[in-house]
Amino acid sequence: NAGVTQTPKFRILKIGQSMTLQCAQDMNHNYMYWYRQDPGMGLKLIYYSVGAGITDKGEVPNGYNVSRSTTEDFPLRLELAAPSQTSVYFCASSYSSWDRPGSQAFFGQGTRLTVV
Amino acid sequence: DQQVKQNSPSLSVQEGRISILNCDYTNSMFDYFLWYKKYPAEGPTFLISISSIKDKNEDGRFTVFLNKSAKHLSLHIVPSQPGDSAVYFCAAVEGYGGSQGNLIFGKGTKLSVKP
Repeated sequence: NAGVTQTPKFRILKIGQSMTLQCAQDMNHNYMYWYRQDPGMGLKLIYYSVGAGITDKGEVPNGYNVSRSTTEDFPLRLELAAPSQTSVYFCASSYSSWDRPGSQAFFGQGTRLTVV
Repeated sequence: DQQVKQNSPSLSVQEGRISILNCDYTNSMFDYFLWYKKYPAEGPTFLISISSIKDKNEDGRFTVFLNKSAKHLSLHIVPSQPGDSAVYFCAAVEGYGGSQGNLIFGKGTKLSVKP
């Protein structure tokens, strides 16, 4: 079982560069999420999607974009990287919304991004 | 302002003893709570959850207690094992049909279980 796969695992970007963090899941989950975790902090939601073609902003969407053209993939795009975007990024998926018992999220291993 | 608070950044217990991790929340609209465990360089993994209509949920060595009047929940691990050493995140979901995309996380508590 691959579960949720994130690539790359590590990346160093220069200020102003752009990149796409890839996320794929093979569990046929409808819901997918992008979180970031800053040092000593909890995870904060960037964007989420409840199905192919549908995306919505989370708590901290500024500086990011997403798309959901297929059920399996949910890439996160950084257009103009800034030092404030230095963080660990986690992608997650779930069968249904969080508040349905049994519908816990499965997380990827994370992408550690440093912007210098 | 933090809606989910884990006030103890770290906890150290002896193998075989009980570990109690605490979590407080401020939003009375939260009605579903989850605990996630995270090892270094890995993503969080789901541990246990509880709905607001219950005050206790048990799964093997893990039990979550919910006190709605105090807006407090706790995770008990009995007996604690060295493999339980990880960061534990408390998370909450706002009412059904609400901000369904937003699972609000606490900052985490790092549990160390010593042999």
